[in-house]
Amino acid sequence: DADVTQTPRNRITKTGKRIMLECSQTKGHDRMYWYRQDPGLGLRLIYYSFDVKDINKGEISDGYSVSRQAQAKFSLSLESAIPNQTALYFCATSDPGSSGYGYTFGSGTRLTVV
Amino acid sequence: DAKTTQPPSMDCAEGRAANLPCNHSTISGNEYVYWYRQIHSQGPQYIIHGLKNNETNEMASLIITEDRKSSTLILPHATLRDTAVYYCIVISTGNQFYFGTGTSLTVIP
Repeated sequence: DADVTQTPRNRITKTGKRIMLECSQTKGHDRMYWYRQDPGLGLRLIYYSFDVKDINKGEISDGYSVSRQAQAKFSLSLESAIPNQTALYFCATSDPGSSGYGYTFGSGTRLTVV
Repeated sequence: DAKTTQPPSMDCAEGRAANLPCNHSTISGNEYVYWYRQIHSQGPQYIIHGLKNNETNEMASLIITEDRKSSTLILPHATLRDTAVYYCIVISTGNQFYFGTGTSLTVIP
């Protein structure tokens, strides 16, 4: 099984619908992140969480909300989806206590809002 | 965290060394240089990181200039599977990563 699992892998939804993207990890890391990637662009940080009780906004949090249900689970919600939220979404984890402090990414969720 | 500047795209012949530059002139003493790559639309993959010494692992080498204002990622023998977008990130330990647009490397047969 993958260290960081995102569900669903692909999703098409209609404008105005509420949608949740889920992320779970088996790394045991406290820190989790949600990024968004638009075609031809780099990744932009939406929200991040340093532990279960900690939630922080990133560069582009408007229109999104998150929930850290447990150390291993971090969900991203679009309360009322709009077409310009069509993008590739990545979840990631990290452990600042490790020597590398690298991020581990999931495989991504491709979201299309029509 | 310091900003980075990378060329938008580069080509490299298969089997040759690929040298990807990154400028980070505002880097501070406690900031690390990280390199990640993203193949097609997969999740970014960690390559290597360093503070001030040159580093090497099974994937690549990282050369950091003495003044730490720039670095070069070296893929010693590029293969077609190294075609990807490469991101250079400068960050202090414990902070969150901010990605730029990276360098799109195309390895040519």
